[in-house]
Amino acid sequence: KNEVEQSPQNLTAQEGEFITINCSYSVGISALHWLQQHPGGGIVSLFMLSSGKKKHGRLIATINIQEKHSSLHITASHPRDSAVYICAVSSSGTASKLTFGTGTRLQVTL
Amino acid sequence: DAGITQSPRHKVTETGTPVTLRCHQTENHRYMYWYRQDPGHGLRLIHYSYGVKDTDKGEVSDGYSVSRSKTEDFLLTLESATSSQTSVYFCATTTYGQGYGYTFGSGTRLTVV
Repeated sequence: KNEVEQSPQNLTAQEGEFITINCSYSVGISALHWLQQHPGGGIVSLFMLSSGKKKHGRLIATINIQEKHSSLHITASHPRDSAVYICAVSSSGTASKLTFGTGTRLQVTL
Repeated sequence: DAGITQSPRHKVTETGTPVTLRCHQTENHRYMYWYRQDPGHGLRLIHYSYGVKDTDKGEVSDGYSVSRSKTEDFLLTLESATSSQTSVYFCATTTYGQGYGYTFGSGTRLTVV
């Protein structure tokens, strides 16, 4: 079993829909990261969080440390949100190495 | 944002040849990492560095070596490239260890034929 599990693997939505991507992890962490990767593109850091909730524009990330679960929400989705969203965790005492989920491929259509 | 530059961006090489990928950062970050990305797998750590001349292996280090002679440069070498090393390679950096954000390079697409 992977240490970081994401669901769903693939997601198709229509423009304007509210989107949720989930991430569960099985190890102790110092922080959880949400990353975005556009097709053929580099990786961009969206959020880093160790507790609670963060918001940036139409993106919201939450984490529940007790349940070892995080969600990434996209409100009013747009075709430009189409990308792979990756959850990663960094653990204490491990030289800040990241362990990654396999990603959620999001396609937003008109 | 030119914090990290990877070179080359694309490379095709023949089996058995040595290949070196370069990661250059202008952030003065202490930690640097090399990851590979393959379909069906999350990014996997090859090697990492926690300071000049201080490096260690990741989970998929076989067939790879690294060097860091300056804070800003982290080199990944495939000693004798194999087809299984065809992948997209990403460099990443962070500073002060835990709890700080990461910066990723744009990736190097390597094809071994």
